Amino acid sequence: KNEVEQSPQNLTAQEGEFITINCSYSVGISALHWLQQHPGGGIVSLFMLSSGKKKHGRLIATINIQEKHSSLHITASHPRDSAVYICAGVSGGGADGLTFGKGTHLIIQP
Amino acid sequence: KAGVTQTPRYLIKTRGQQVTLSCSPISGHRSVSWYQQTPGQGLQFLFEYFSETQRNKGNFPGRFSGRQFSNSRSEMNVSTLELGDSALYLCASSFLAGANEQFFGPGTRLTVL
Repeated sequence: KNEVEQSPQNLTAQEGEFITINCSYSVGISALHWLQQHPGGGIVSLFMLSSGKKKHGRLIATINIQEKHSSLHITASHPRDSAVYICAGVSGGGADGLTFGKGTHLIIQP
Repeated sequence: KAGVTQTPRYLIKTRGQQVTLSCSPISGHRSVSWYQQTPGQGLQFLFEYFSETQRNKGNFPGRFSGRQFSNSRSEMNVSTLELGDSALYLCASSFLAGANEQFFGPGTRLTVL
């Protein structure tokens, strides 16, 4: 069974801090999505990666295929980054849909 | 380009009824995936349609079904509603099939009483 585990479940930090959210996944998952969900439910896709590192603005995502581990980093965090961050694994080459982590609830305090 | 739209945004039904939710993908996208989100189970994959064909289905009972039309719009149907079907139902569209970059709609919040 494909599994994705995220940590921490909850994270509160001060504005400006460097944030790291971790995701571990099982054999059979070939790529990962990082998603952001704001209150109210809307989900935005941040990254999809199967190797290496991607950067967009203050967000950086990395993946280590050998260790089956991915991280999402936020530099110079801001209160508007407060959201739930979810990692989701792609398995079966995409034929099995996405397997989701439980999410990390991030609060950035001013 | 207009984003993914879902209708209705909110819905209240009673046990035993059935419901149909609609999703209009981004123009040019041929893949539509459906997801259920509950506080207890989190996000779970329901099914994916591509070019009017169901490609795959998650671990849900047969009460959950869907279809896709020639214009790529998709509907999902839940029959004989149960209290546990109360959830946020999200659809996402992508240009390619198979869990590629996806664009999510705002969701339909279904409450079953």
